[in-house]
Amino acid sequence: DQQVKQNSPSLSVQEGRISILNCDYTNSMFDYFLWYKKYPAEGPTFLISISSIKDKNEDGRFTVFLNKSAKHLSLHIVPSQPGDSAVYFCAASGSGGSNYKLTFGKGTLLTVNP
Amino acid sequence: DTEVTQTPKHLVMGMTNKKSLKCEQHMGHRAMYWYKQKAKKPPELMFVYSYEKLSINESVPSRFSPECPNSSLLNLHLHALQPEDSALYLCASSQVEGPNEKLFFGSGTQLSVL
Repeated sequence: DQQVKQNSPSLSVQEGRISILNCDYTNSMFDYFLWYKKYPAEGPTFLISISSIKDKNEDGRFTVFLNKSAKHLSLHIVPSQPGDSAVYFCAASGSGGSNYKLTFGKGTLLTVNP
Repeated sequence: DTEVTQTPKHLVMGMTNKKSLKCEQHMGHRAMYWYKQKAKKPPELMFVYSYEKLSINESVPSRFSPECPNSSLLNLHLHALQPEDSALYLCASSQVEGPNEKLFFGSGTQLSVL
């Protein structure tokens, strides 16, 4: 049973436009969410995180939005650059019991075309 | 220094071989992790060490044997692996084990079992 879902396996956008990557979760115990970026044959790199006490967190070109009632978060990249082309993983963890272990989604391959 | 260093980057081994994967971090983190990632899948947790003691073993077969010689080093000893064990093996670390922790990943060891 997948607790973190990234329903779009891939996304293609034009350079300079906005990229929106979506993530849904089912475990109501999750209260901390992270986005990781991964290039081929490399480890995931931490990008941005958000705690459930917030609904938005911004870092440069990257903004994460959290809608707790919908159990949905999204990563906005604006403007998108060709170097942003990578697989983006959404991950979640919670405070209770074994929920603190990071659970990853399957990832979304973002391609930014020049 | 925010690096997690893994060696070797690539490893090819036969099913009767014994080999070891190594991981090192100098961020003073007290939690270290082994993940396994197959192509087009999310990382899967294998082991967690907290303060050099094994904290979590996600029912990993005994042909994988982790070791934490000190707070900076983490090894994964491999013996009698199967071809289906071929994957990218990722090491990660965090300040401590617990909720709301960011994991920092190494670049991984791409393992092929023949």
